[in-house]
Amino acid sequence: EPEVTQTPSHQVTQMGQEVILRCVPISNHLYFYWYRQILGQKVEFLVSFYNNEISEKSEIFDDQFSVERPDGSNFTLKIRSTKLEDSAMYFCASSTLTAYGYTFGSGTRLTVV
Amino acid sequence: ELKVEQNPLFLSMQEGKNYTIYCNYSTTSDRLYWYRQDPGKSLESLFVLLSNGAVKQEGRLMASLDTKARLSTLHITAAVHDLSATYFCAVDVNSGGSNYKLTFGKGTLLTVNP
Repeated sequence: EPEVTQTPSHQVTQMGQEVILRCVPISNHLYFYWYRQILGQKVEFLVSFYNNEISEKSEIFDDQFSVERPDGSNFTLKIRSTKLEDSAMYFCASSTLTAYGYTFGSGTRLTVV
Repeated sequence: ELKVEQNPLFLSMQEGKNYTIYCNYSTTSDRLYWYRQDPGKSLESLFVLLSNGAVKQEGRLMASLDTKARLSTLHITAAVHDLSATYFCAVDVNSGGSNYKLTFGKGTLLTVNP
């Protein structure tokens, strides 16, 4: 069964450093997403991406965040200057908007120290 | 702003018992998903409900959707320990054109005790 692959699985970074989280969506999917989940809390929408541009972004997705699909297979989330409150599990998802719904990756646990 | 409310948030039940988790949402949608999450793991898709009156069953779990009442239920029959996990409902809403996004409930932490 096709999978969404995320790397790394866990990243520890110093406050103020830049991090890039990587995702390889399912190859025939056209819509890509990032969600995050702060420990013990609900999953929150960050951004959606379609046709090489952002479709929608949440209030959380401020100027410190950016997304890119650099080579037609990877989908990346960059946090420019990490804060302690960015510590969370970040999930990538992809979709074809059909009845099959969304496929989530296994997540990247980001810890900012 | 769409609100998705799950209850209960915590559920401790004995093996063999039945229980229902409720998911209410505040805006029109006919696409609702249920996910299971084990500690530290990803979101495993359980059910995709795409129309009013949809009912799906997999093993001891059954999900239904009433779009008029804006309510979905996840019913657990004869619970077993392996069902212990956090269960999320998520409502899929169109925000214009082909833009959809999921809004999740807070999750129900289910613990099944022997």
